[in-house]
Amino acid sequence: DTAVSQTPKYLVTQMGNDKSIKCEQNLGHDTMYWYKQDSKKFLKIMFSYNNKELIINETVPNRFSPKSPDKAHLNLHINSLELGDSAVYFCASTKGGIADTQYFGPGTRLTVL
Amino acid sequence: SQQGEEDPQALSIQEGENATMNCSYKTSINNLQWYRQNSGRGLVHLILIRSNEREKHSGRLRVTLDTSKKSSSLLITASRAADTASYFCAKETSGSRLTFGEGTQLTVNP
Repeated sequence: DTAVSQTPKYLVTQMGNDKSIKCEQNLGHDTMYWYKQDSKKFLKIMFSYNNKELIINETVPNRFSPKSPDKAHLNLHINSLELGDSAVYFCASTKGGIADTQYFGPGTRLTVL
Repeated sequence: SQQGEEDPQALSIQEGENATMNCSYKTSINNLQWYRQNSGRGLVHLILIRSNEREKHSGRLRVTLDTSKKSSSLLITASRAADTASYFCAKETSGSRLTFGEGTQLTVNP
């Protein structure tokens, strides 16, 4: 069974649209994250949730809104998509806090046209 | 910024050779982790080394940490074509921040 799964794997959409990416982990971990990896492979943390509560909220546009319905799920909703949002978005989870081993999902490649 | 600097950016070697990748950082860290990313995949954890440790091994992997020089290295011995991937270091600092470097793209030629 996949430990951290994301859907969809690929997402192609027009500027201005709203889209969501879903993430689920079946590891029983308490903390989940969203990362953005740009075209140069630079990986940057966006958000972190611990047991459904937001604990890290890096400087990202407020068009990005994470939602955690339960501790096994962390979804990312993006409003009014822009060209610069094109990237690969990774979900990850850790058993405890950020110092623990990160378990990454397979990524969602978002292309904004 | 704690963005790590990794070098080299790209490394191409022959199977059987050793590969060494380096990671430097600017401020104090609590621990440092190395991850591998195969093309089109998520990152996979390799080794975590704490600030009070100097060296760790896992199979063909050896990680060193020199806190006086604020640097770490990842050595892959007897490389295989399947080791071809991007390798990232991630620094955990006080304030619960984890910062990834820009990665080293390793190509192992059969």
